[in-house]
Amino acid sequence: SQKIEQNSEALNIQEGKTATLTCNYTNYSPAYLQWYRQDPGRGPVFLLLIRENEKEKRKERLKVTFDTTLKQSLFHITASQPADSATYLCALPPLKGYNKLIFGAGTRLAVHP
Amino acid sequence: EAGVVQSPRYKIIEKKQPVAFWCNPISGHNTLYWYLQNLGQGPELLIRYENEEAVDDSQLPKDRFSAERLKGVDSTLKIQPAELGDSAVYLCASSNGQGKETQYFGPGTRLLVL
Repeated sequence: SQKIEQNSEALNIQEGKTATLTCNYTNYSPAYLQWYRQDPGRGPVFLLLIRENEKEKRKERLKVTFDTTLKQSLFHITASQPADSATYLCALPPLKGYNKLIFGAGTRLAVHP
Repeated sequence: EAGVVQSPRYKIIEKKQPVAFWCNPISGHNTLYWYLQNLGQGPELLIRYENEEAVDDSQLPKDRFSAERLKGVDSTLKIQPAELGDSAVYLCASSNGQGKETQYFGPGTRLLVL
């Protein structure tokens, strides 16, 4: 079955630096990959979707890459701010089926002033 | 546009008691999902509805969990009887359906079973 791995350790960085989070997956080739942000006590919020034929996607200070050979996506936040502190989840469609997502466990990001 | 609405936000019950969660999806969204999220984990799908039909309920523990989506809009998830291990956050999400992969989540219901 497919497996999604995100760094379980929290990422602590200084304000203004670039945060880089990793999502690795195994056992299949998804047509797309999504990143969500989740704040404590709230539901996940969609950030970006990148398709298998796209190498890179940008939205304001966010950048996502998708390396189908390495089976890895990198999520970057440039010029990070304390307000970026949250848990970031990657999600992929399953091997079989549609209209559903399999979520990673998420990586908690803490941006310190 | 109003987001996904869930109630209650918090619920504390004793084990063996029943509990129900309610979800109102974004207007016009045909697909509705119920997820369970344990602390430090990502959401795990319990059931997915396409309109009023449950099309994916393979992860729903049917001995104690049930769900319904009346008229293809609101949905209710029920647990009866609740067990200690059911303590978690129950998230509802909706999407436009086929070709629209983004899911929109509600704030969740935090359940504590004592």
